[in-house]
Amino acid sequence: SYVLTQPPSVSVAPGQTARITCGGNNIGSKSVHWYQKKAGQAPVVVVSDDSDRPSGIPERFSGSNSGNTATLTISRVEVGDEADYYCHVWDSSTDHPPVIFGGGTKLTVL
Amino acid sequence: EVQLVQSGAEVKKPGESLKISCKGSGYRFTNYWIAWVRQMPGKGLEWMGSIYAGDSVTRYSPPFQGQVTISADKSISIVYLQWSSLKASDTAMYYCARCGGDCTGHFDYWGQGTLVTVSS
Repeated sequence: SYVLTQPPSVSVAPGQTARITCGGNNIGSKSVHWYQKKAGQAPVVVVSDDSDRPSGIPERFSGSNSGNTATLTISRVEVGDEADYYCHVWDSSTDHPPVIFGGGTKLTVL
Repeated sequence: EVQLVQSGAEVKKPGESLKISCKGSGYRFTNYWIAWVRQMPGKGLEWMGSIYAGDSVTRYSPPFQGQVTISADKSISIVYLQWSSLKASDTAMYYCARCGGDCTGHFDYWGQGTLVTVSS
């Protein structure tokens, strides 16, 4: 089966840079999407297809993907960025569901 | 404006049936897939399955195959998620989400979520 591994938590001070990783076997060959999930709210896509930023998402959010690790980078972190972040890929192998989410990373802004 | 509006919170007893809904508006409903995503209390996101609203072709995640039914009524732009016999372990927040093309990409719009509580 294909597993996406995220750190359970990342902490950063306001104004600093947060990096949230998503590890998977040869994930660099797949398109990775990132969602922000705030408490009591629906998920919002903040980065799609590795590094595309949907309309309305601040430029502070960026993504990269290479080898076995995809990374969501949040620059100049704000208190309002505090949320759970999930990575997501589509994998067409037949031994597991094709839609795979990482376990999520809780971003705490100190 | 694209919107996915879900039905309200439900409280049910084990063994009862339930059907929750997700209504799409602001786009051509039949051109997109709608997925259902579960979030159990304190846990992460799990894909349950997806349906193409145009012809109701459905894909299920194996753990949910046979446990739920996903259907669509394109005449009223609604996708449903239903259970015939709920279990306490079905207690969760359920989100619908839209994806385009062949639904191998990202989910670009999400419903607000429907909280399902199953308790005796």
